[in-house]
Amino acid sequence: TQLLEQSPQFLSIQEGENLTVYCNSSSVFSSLQWYRQEPGEGPVLLVTVVTGGEVKKLKRLTFQFGDARKDSSLHITAAQPGDTGLYLCAATSNRDDKIIFGKGTRLHILP
Amino acid sequence: KAGVTQTPRYLIKTRGQQVTLSCSPISGHRSVSWYQQTPGQGLQFLFEYFSETQRNKGNFPGRFSGRQFSNSRSEMNVSTLELGDSALYLCASSSGRQGMREQFFGPGTRLTVL
Repeated sequence: TQLLEQSPQFLSIQEGENLTVYCNSSSVFSSLQWYRQEPGEGPVLLVTVVTGGEVKKLKRLTFQFGDARKDSSLHITAAQPGDTGLYLCAATSNRDDKIIFGKGTRLHILP
Repeated sequence: KAGVTQTPRYLIKTRGQQVTLSCSPISGHRSVSWYQQTPGQGLQFLFEYFSETQRNKGNFPGRFSGRQFSNSRSEMNVSTLELGDSALYLCASSSGRQGMREQFFGPGTRLTVL
């Protein structure tokens, strides 16, 4: 079974600090997505990374896809309370074409 | 473009009953996927429909079924409800084109089984 392991599970930090969350697998994926989900809502797509070593920036968020396309990271600079939420990574299994999700990192930014 | 809509938003049922959830995808999207989200298991894939055909299926019992209509709208049905079926059920649409697997989610239906 292909799995996406996300770490840490929970993270609570002060506003203004930097943080990195991770999404790891032993499998190679052709692409990987990051989503953010807020309470009572569905996940919202943040970014898709496709090429090994690719780096994408979305304002204060930096996403990186590992060279071997097995892992990814999300770095947030100067975190703000609005960044609070559940961050999910997802990828398409190249075995059965199903989309698999990690269990997420629950991030809480304290004002 | 309007986003993905799901109805109802909240539902309370008792064990043994059945339930039907509805999803309207983004206009032009032909793929609709359903997920179950629980605190313990996270987001788990139920099934995907594309052009009225089930394209993929997760590891859920046969009590969970779905269908897609010619206008791409989709319904999901759960029969003989169990307490463990209490969850947030999310629908997501995508263009369904090869390699384009980004999911656009609706707000979900919160199902509580008593």
